[in-house]
Amino acid sequence: AQKVTQAQTEISVVEKEDVTLDCVYETRDTTYYLFWYKQPPSGELVFLIRRNSFDEQNEISGRYSWNFQKSTSSFNFTITASQVVDSAVYFCALSEAMLLDDKIIFGKGTRLHILP
Amino acid sequence: DGGITQSPKYLFRKEGQNVTLSCEQNLNHDAMYWYRQDPGQGLRLIYYSQIVNDFQKGDIAEGYSVSREKKESFPLTVTSAQKNPTAFYLCASSMGGAKSAEQYFGPGTRLTVT
Repeated sequence: AQKVTQAQTEISVVEKEDVTLDCVYETRDTTYYLFWYKQPPSGELVFLIRRNSFDEQNEISGRYSWNFQKSTSSFNFTITASQVVDSAVYFCALSEAMLLDDKIIFGKGTRLHILP
Repeated sequence: DGGITQSPKYLFRKEGQNVTLSCEQNLNHDAMYWYRQDPGQGLRLIYYSQIVNDFQKGDIAEGYSVSREKKESFPLTVTSAQKNPTAFYLCASSMGGAKSAEQYFGPGTRLTVT
């Protein structure tokens, strides 16, 4: 069965520190997709990244970077030089291609507090 | 400007009343979804639709109903049978076509039933 685990419920760091959000997934499919979303206090989920299971290259976008490791079934998200605007709930998610239903399974989220 | 709109942002109802939440998208997406989020919880799928005039139950469909008569619209009715309707409701859409594409979300509707 597919499952996404975000073991860190809540993290607090001081502004400018780096922070890594962990995500571990379970799937029986060989073709799958992983996602990260940000939910700021306004409530709307903002799409950050989508990765397919065949592409293990790390991705960097500004202060954001993602580390995908199939060997440990992890897709971790790092924010470098954090800012107060990064405070939000972050969700990791998984979609299995074999199911053909476009469903995405979300983890329970990690609430990130960036302290000024 | 392409996007997803949900209205209203806040909704208050008395227990025993049905209420319909609106969701409209102009992204030309085939698939649409409804999620429920409770405080400190992740997202739970209520219903989803991959094409017009077709929809499937998600993980927590009991007490809810939907329709998909137009590609752009996917309204959700919270019926009086839903035992704990107070929650934050999020609508999303994606390209569909079994491509496991990313979903884009609306701003959400916060429903309070007393």
